[in-house]
Amino acid sequence: RKEVEQDPGPFNVPEGATVAFNCTYSNSASQSFFWYRQDCRKEPKLLMSVYSSGNEDGRFTAQLNRASQYISLLIRDSKLSDSATYLCVVNLLSGTYKYIFGTGTRLKVLA
Amino acid sequence: NAGVMQNPRHLVRRRGQEARLRCSPMKGHSHVYWYRQLPEEGLKFMVYLQKENIIDESGMPKERFSAEFPKEGPSILRIQQVVRGDSAAYFCASSLPLQDEQFFGPGTRLTVL
Repeated sequence: RKEVEQDPGPFNVPEGATVAFNCTYSNSASQSFFWYRQDCRKEPKLLMSVYSSGNEDGRFTAQLNRASQYISLLIRDSKLSDSATYLCVVNLLSGTYKYIFGTGTRLKVLA
Repeated sequence: NAGVMQNPRHLVRRRGQEARLRCSPMKGHSHVYWYRQLPEEGLKFMVYLQKENIIDESGMPKERFSAEFPKEGPSILRIQQVVRGDSAAYFCASSLPLQDEQFFGPGTRLTVL
């Protein structure tokens, strides 16, 4: 079983739609969680951290369920500019910080 | 405040040559991480360094790959005797001490002919 698993997609959605991505992780020692966004052939950029209480940033909402070991990202009112690959990242503290990346979920927002 | 800088952005090598990739962390960041992304795959952790110390190299291939972060100057990822399978994007990230948020550089795309 992969340490961090994501549905690769692609998710093709119309502008204005709401779309949700899930990610599961296997190591219960995982300490912190993030969603990164990666545009084609560019570096990952932090979208948001994910907290146990859930957090929202504009059209983006992230949730963490430690008991079930999954995190989610909800995007409301999708824009064309949201088209990208969304990477689920788990920070595994086992002596040192180590990011474990999912392979990413590809989103394409259609006009 | 400049972000994480990597050079070169693109590097072409023939099989058997050496590749040197450089990473300058963000100002004030003393922790550097290297990741590799193969085509159509996710990023894979390679090595975590602090100034003059390798903290975790569990993701580094046992042969041909080495990394350093000297007291002065950028971090260097060195690949000796490159093979075609080394073709990938290599990303560097940096962080502050005791902070788990990492900031990524633009990457170096290595192509081995």
